[in-house]
Amino acid sequence: DQQVKQNSPSLSVQEGRISILNCDYTNSMFDYFLWYKKYPAEGPTFLISISSIKDKNEDGRFTVFLNKSAKHLSLHIVPSQPGDSAVYFCAAKGGAQKLVFGQGTRLTINP
Amino acid sequence: GAGVSQSPSNKVTEKGKDVELRCDPISGHTALYWYRQSLGQGLEFLIYFQGNSAPDKSGLPSDRFSAERTGGSVSTLTIQRTQQEDSAVYLCASSLAFSSYNEQFFGPGTRLTVL
Repeated sequence: DQQVKQNSPSLSVQEGRISILNCDYTNSMFDYFLWYKKYPAEGPTFLISISSIKDKNEDGRFTVFLNKSAKHLSLHIVPSQPGDSAVYFCAAKGGAQKLVFGQGTRLTINP
Repeated sequence: GAGVSQSPSNKVTEKGKDVELRCDPISGHTALYWYRQSLGQGLEFLIYFQGNSAPDKSGLPSDRFSAERTGGSVSTLTIQRTQQEDSAVYLCASSLAFSSYNEQFFGPGTRLTVL
């Protein structure tokens, strides 16, 4: 039972354009959502998060949007840069400390 | 500053052998987590430790898997009688005290291959 889903395994975007990564969840008890970025042979690194009491959180080029009624969140990166090429994981938690991760989306930024 | 470290970085073993994977969390982090990532899959929670509390073992896939955390710092994940489906990258993370909003910092992982 996949509680957090990233339905796009890969995404290719031109440098300078907006990258939009999507994530859906099924568990209404989740109250905190995070995005992690992972380069090959490295552990995931935290990127940005959002609490369920908010619908938007912005940090520089990165913005996360949360639509609780649709159980959907998205990560916007604008403008996209070549260094943004990585695998992006959506994660959620609620009550328990463990993070529930999606399968990841491989983002490729083309020059 | 030192991040989360894991050893070995790679481990190749034969089916049926036991393996031990080590994690050194960030100093001062009281919470420690183990996850694994199988090929083409997301990260799967295995176990977490918080201070002296009983660990949450709800993610361990079988009784062949066990973990301990000595002195509230270093942790060892042990897999007994390894099977080919145990092949994955095993990731350790740590965070500050128990809180819903504390970011988890990940180590580079141990890639386990069971032949």
